[in-house]
Amino acid sequence: EAGVVQSPRYKIIEKKQPVAFWCNPISGHNTLYWYLQNLGQGPELLIRYENEEAVDDSQLPKDRFSAERLKGVDSTLKIQPAELGDSAVYLCASSLGTLQGRRASYNEQFFGPGTRLTVL
Amino acid sequence: TQLLEQSPQFLSIQEGENLTVYCNSSSVFSSLQWYRQEPGEGPVLLVTVVTGGEVKKLKRLTFQFGDARKDSSLHITAAQPGDTGLYLCAGWGYQKVTFGTGTKLQVIP
Repeated sequence: EAGVVQSPRYKIIEKKQPVAFWCNPISGHNTLYWYLQNLGQGPELLIRYENEEAVDDSQLPKDRFSAERLKGVDSTLKIQPAELGDSAVYLCASSLGTLQGRRASYNEQFFGPGTRLTVL
Repeated sequence: TQLLEQSPQFLSIQEGENLTVYCNSSSVFSSLQWYRQEPGEGPVLLVTVVTGGEVKKLKRLTFQFGDARKDSSLHITAAQPGDTGLYLCAGWGYQKVTFGTGTKLQVIP
């Protein structure tokens, strides 16, 4: 079974240019996540989708970042215009969905390899 | 905002040594996960703990969830070079997930 697919793997752009990242989650996974990760640090959640609905986008810088997940499958993340500080790895992950018990909800997230963005 | 602090930030040890990584927060989590990430790849789930005080073992790795569900630890016995990587904890609470700051482990042969 194919894992989470991301493209491109690497992207180098000049500041103020637009850039887009694409993610194809594991088939059947309802939840999709976009993260930003700086070198040696933990991923920071940008947005989480449950099917087509963005259920948590509180950390998405909406002045320059946008995302969509049409048809509840593939997703794209866009930055326009890019700034020097946007240089990072952008990770996409998917999971079956939120499992809620009496006290716990958790997901096993499957991550793609990421897109390494360099803004010059 | 839920914050997860990991310590130490960096760890370089000799093969065969034992080590413990800590994941601490002032927030209560409904569950906590540990992931390992290798260079150029995404994180891979190692374990999920959901009950306060829970201990899980995965070969040489032992994971514990604090009684108050605010902290967790990862203990590795007799570390191997293959254990090298970035270890991340991730806490779930109020339908939100927060990753820890990360611990970079290097095991020297």
